[in-house]
Amino acid sequence: QKEVEQDPGPLSVPEGAIVSLNCTYSNSAFQYFMWYRQYSRKGPELLMYTYSSGNKEDGRFTAQVDKSSKYISLFIRDSQPSDSATYLCAMNGWGANSKLTFGKGITLSVRP
Amino acid sequence: DSGVTQTPKHLITATGQRVTLRCSPRSGDLSVYWYQQSLDQGLQFLIHYYNGEERAKGNILERFSAQQFPDLHSELNLSSLELGDSALYFCASSERGGAGDIQYFGAGTRLSVL
Repeated sequence: QKEVEQDPGPLSVPEGAIVSLNCTYSNSAFQYFMWYRQYSRKGPELLMYTYSSGNKEDGRFTAQVDKSSKYISLFIRDSQPSDSATYLCAMNGWGANSKLTFGKGITLSVRP
Repeated sequence: DSGVTQTPKHLITATGQRVTLRCSPRSGDLSVYWYQQSLDQGLQFLIHYYNGEERAKGNILERFSAQQFPDLHSELNLSSLELGDSALYFCASSERGGAGDIQYFGAGTRLSVL
């Protein structure tokens, strides 16, 4: 079993849709949870950063972490064509060293 | 722009050859991380350096080595290249290197081994 599992996709939605992206993990030492966005032929850029369980909102983006279920989610409201990219969940924790463990990523396409 | 600079952007070479990938971290960052991204494996951690010293190793092959220099730039050396080494190689940097640090990624080097 991989440490971090992410729905493989791809995912195609119409403009304006609500998008839900999810990851599950197995290592209970993970405490810091991130979502990175990667456009084609670019490096990953940090989108959301959460410590421990809870919700965090930033504009159209909401990150949720449920440590009891080892489950994290990213919600995108009012999705735009510019949101079309690959989304990667990533996590680390003191017990797991500072290296980031990534999900494989899901490619999202938002149709105008 | 993340502030992390990677060169070259693209590298084409033959099997058996050796290449060097270079990374300059963001100003003030002491930690440099190297990751490999392939279609089948996703983003995989290779190695972490903090202020010139190796901090952690991931699934890095013995044919691969890295170092961080006194000016904090880092180089990843890949030798005896195989077709399967073709991938995107990313460098990331962070301020200190702890688990809570945000890692900022460069644009990557695309390695093609023919």
